[in-house]
Amino acid sequence: SQTIHQWPATLVQPVGSPLSLECTVEGTSNPNLYWYRQAAGRGLQLLFYSVGIGQISSEVPQNLSASRPQDRQFILSSKKLLLSDSGFYLCAWSSGNEQFFGPGTRLTVL
Amino acid sequence: GNSVTQMEGPVTLSEEAFLTINCTYTATGYPSLFWYVQYPGEGLQLLLKATKADDKGSNKGFEATYRKETTSFHLEKGSVQVSDSAVYFCALSHPRRDSNYQLIWGAGTKLIIKP
Repeated sequence: SQTIHQWPATLVQPVGSPLSLECTVEGTSNPNLYWYRQAAGRGLQLLFYSVGIGQISSEVPQNLSASRPQDRQFILSSKKLLLSDSGFYLCAWSSGNEQFFGPGTRLTVL
Repeated sequence: GNSVTQMEGPVTLSEEAFLTINCTYTATGYPSLFWYVQYPGEGLQLLLKATKADDKGSNKGFEATYRKETTSFHLEKGSVQVSDSAVYFCALSHPRRDSNYQLIWGAGTKLIIKP
């Protein structure tokens, strides 16, 4: 069966520090991968998606970037965090029109 | 463009009450429709889905029927439990030019069930 992992589960970082969040998928090949952000008490905002290795599409201009160095690995990064980057970050994969989510990473920028 | 509108929350009910969370959509073509649930501090889980008009998705006592004539996909449950307290998201799926499917999300509805 397919599983999706995210780490870390929680992270507290100072403003201006770098960020790296990792997402890996097991049990499937060539999945479409997604990064979402969920601000406190709000809905989901799609940040990036990828249909293959090295292929990244950005949905909104921002302080973040994404990379896909391997088929089942998706990384969300920032060189310098802003306060507004705080939120709950969710990774998802899909095969067809259904998406499956990881457990999320709660990021607090102080 | 494509969009999903959900009723605003929070929705507060007593245990064993009947639940309805409204969801309407705007879309071209024939999207698939989904309900996802997010329990506190967790990621989203697919609750149910429907892929064509008049399909009924069901899971864990929840049901939703794809109504093309009213462009709706309302979530219902006959008798809610405290454990149903969560945030519920309605979404539609449509294909993109790069053959990827994008989910269009509603804002989410927080459900609070009191014992």
